[in-house]
Amino acid sequence: QSVLTQPPSVSATPGQKVTISCSGSSSNIGDNYVSWYQQLPGTAPKVLIYDNDNRPSGIPDRFSGSKSGTSATLGITGLQTGDEADYYCGTWDRSLSAYVFGTGTKVTVL
Amino acid sequence: QVQLVESGGGVVQPGRSLRLSCAASGFIFSSYAMHWVRQAPGKGLEWVTLISYDGTNKYYADSVKGRFTISRDNSKKTLYLQMDSLRAEDTGVYYCARGVGGTLIDYWGQGTLVTVSS
Repeated sequence: QSVLTQPPSVSATPGQKVTISCSGSSSNIGDNYVSWYQQLPGTAPKVLIYDNDNRPSGIPDRFSGSKSGTSATLGITGLQTGDEADYYCGTWDRSLSAYVFGTGTKVTVL
Repeated sequence: QVQLVESGGGVVQPGRSLRLSCAASGFIFSSYAMHWVRQAPGKGLEWVTLISYDGTNKYYADSVKGRFTISRDNSKKTLYLQMDSLRAEDTGVYYCARGVGGTLIDYWGQGTLVTVSS
């Protein structure tokens, strides 16, 4: 079972905003940077956000990240049908000496 | 451009072994830590193991500790995963991925499917 907890699903209509939470502890999110990954159906994951709030080149600014204490949040504005995917947070856990992923959140565009 | 290409997946009986390989190109392989991440059918991502850039340090998920071994050959730019005593719950797609700074996995391969079944 994952040590990072995310809501199983979120949904909204095109153009709206959604936020996805990622709750951890002092040994993971509270102690390290957080990354966010997008996995489109049938494809490998791709990084959306790194170091809590940075976007790799090519990732639109509709995607944003933040962190506070032992929780992190991914925001998606101007929702598009192409954003329908599974989203995962991830970071290193110093107590487990392991990389940990969130439970995953499915985004549905209504 | 960075490319990671996994191979070696297939169908294997419980208790048997399998070795996965990941061929890297487009970056200085010997400068980066590397991960294996797996995904069971219809399930989320599960981190499996990490090896440091020089192979000195290795970390494993509890679920595979003592059964799986990660290794690398920097001269061949290749990452390996030796999987022994395989179980049905090891079934899934196995991704090879590049690590940066301990908290970021920035490039992923396309994955190779491992099915453990009698």
